[in-house]
Amino acid sequence: EVQLVESGGGLVQPGGSLRLSCAASGFTFSSYAMSWVRQAPGKGLEWVSGISGSSDNTYYAASVKGRFTMSRDNSRNTLNLQMNSLRAEDSAVYYCAKDSQFYSGYDSSYFDYWGQGTLVTVSS
Amino acid sequence: QSVLTQPPSASGTPGQRVTISCSGSSSFIESNPVNWYQHFPGTAPKLLIYSNNHRPSGVPDRFSGSKSGTSVSLAISGLQSEDEADYYCAAWDDTLHGITFGGGTKLTVL
Repeated sequence: EVQLVESGGGLVQPGGSLRLSCAASGFTFSSYAMSWVRQAPGKGLEWVSGISGSSDNTYYAASVKGRFTMSRDNSRNTLNLQMNSLRAEDSAVYYCAKDSQFYSGYDSSYFDYWGQGTLVTVSS
Repeated sequence: QSVLTQPPSASGTPGQRVTISCSGSSSFIESNPVNWYQHFPGTAPKLLIYSNNHRPSGVPDRFSGSKSGTSVSLAISGLQSEDEADYYCAAWDDTLHGITFGGGTKLTVL
């Protein structure tokens, strides 16, 4: 059974940093791209960043580029999102999502599994 | 502003058939397969339809997807109260090098 469990959320002050993690199990982690998707209060889903199975391709939404860094440790089946220079508008539930392909966007890929999410609140 | 546009809300009565549209430019819809996700707030989103009209195993056949011209649609037949949720279309965007989501449609079962 595929499981994705996010952790690391919490309350942080504007300008601060936070590191989210996603522990994956039940599939060959290194064979699939992964993404982070967030949902701010009262808003829709927003893709944040994605990484290929081997980490050779990493992509970011314009809203987080230069502030967030996504990485993965295939030996530990773990996905990470380092979030720096946090802003109030980064407050959201952050979900990790498994892609159906090695590279996102290739061969009609889609998110076939999602985690339950971790809440990030940026406030003073 | 997303390249995919959804109506903010939709509604229907139990047993009815409801459709939710997801529109974009003809070139985008033609070139980018669209996926649909069901989301109950506070829970993990769920894949409903992939590549415009394919249903993953385990998803009831009441849910179907189609594509026509500049839009794709999600249809839910035999509407049930448990279908009340938020529905999102999404697709890979080569311009953004990332996934773009529609704004989401809140489905209410009256």
